[in-house]
Amino acid sequence: QQQVKQSPQSLIVQKGGISIINCAYENTAFDYFPWYQQFPGKGPALLIAIRPDVSEKKEGRFTISFNKSAKQFSLHIMDSQPGDSATYFCAAQPRTAGNKLTFGGGTRVLVKP
Amino acid sequence: NAGVTQTPKFRVLKTGQSMTLLCAQDMNHEYMYWYRQDPGMGLRLIHYSVGEGTTAKGEVPDGYNVSRLKKQNFLLGLESAAPSQTSVYFCASSSPPERSGYTFGSGTRLTVV
Repeated sequence: QQQVKQSPQSLIVQKGGISIINCAYENTAFDYFPWYQQFPGKGPALLIAIRPDVSEKKEGRFTISFNKSAKQFSLHIMDSQPGDSATYFCAAQPRTAGNKLTFGGGTRVLVKP
Repeated sequence: NAGVTQTPKFRVLKTGQSMTLLCAQDMNHEYMYWYRQDPGMGLRLIHYSVGEGTTAKGEVPDGYNVSRLKKQNFLLGLESAAPSQTSVYFCASSSPPERSGYTFGSGTRLTVV
């Protein structure tokens, strides 16, 4: 039983297109929502994160949209580039000690040139 | 380079054998974690530690033990390996304040035959 559900499992997008990955959660104790990017053979790396007191956060070509009432959040990759081809994980963290993260199942993104 | 180092990078075990995975970080982080990554399941927390000498169970702790005798090291042990423990294992670290990102190691690919 995954506490954070992520979709789609895989995504193919043309260079210059928009990649959209969606996540949903049930635990209302979650109050911090990061996204991680993972390249083959490497560990995940923090990409961007949002708190539920804002509805959107943008960093370069990456934007998180957050809908607190629906308990959903999404990652948008604008002007997708071949170098963005990676696996993306959403995650959620409750307000407890230890910084424990619960991850979604991951989305493999392939950007075709 | 500063970061999280995992050893070994690859290992093949026979069912019933034991082994220890080592994680070392040189960032003076308080918190350390062991996750396993399986296709479609994302990353699932096995055990974690909020400081030297402390350990706690995560989401999937059965079949694993951990120790954190020194702040910089976090060991994951498999006492009697099973094929279900075939996975990629990631160690990560973070530090207060809460909501700081994780630094991940590059992973250990373990196959149990």
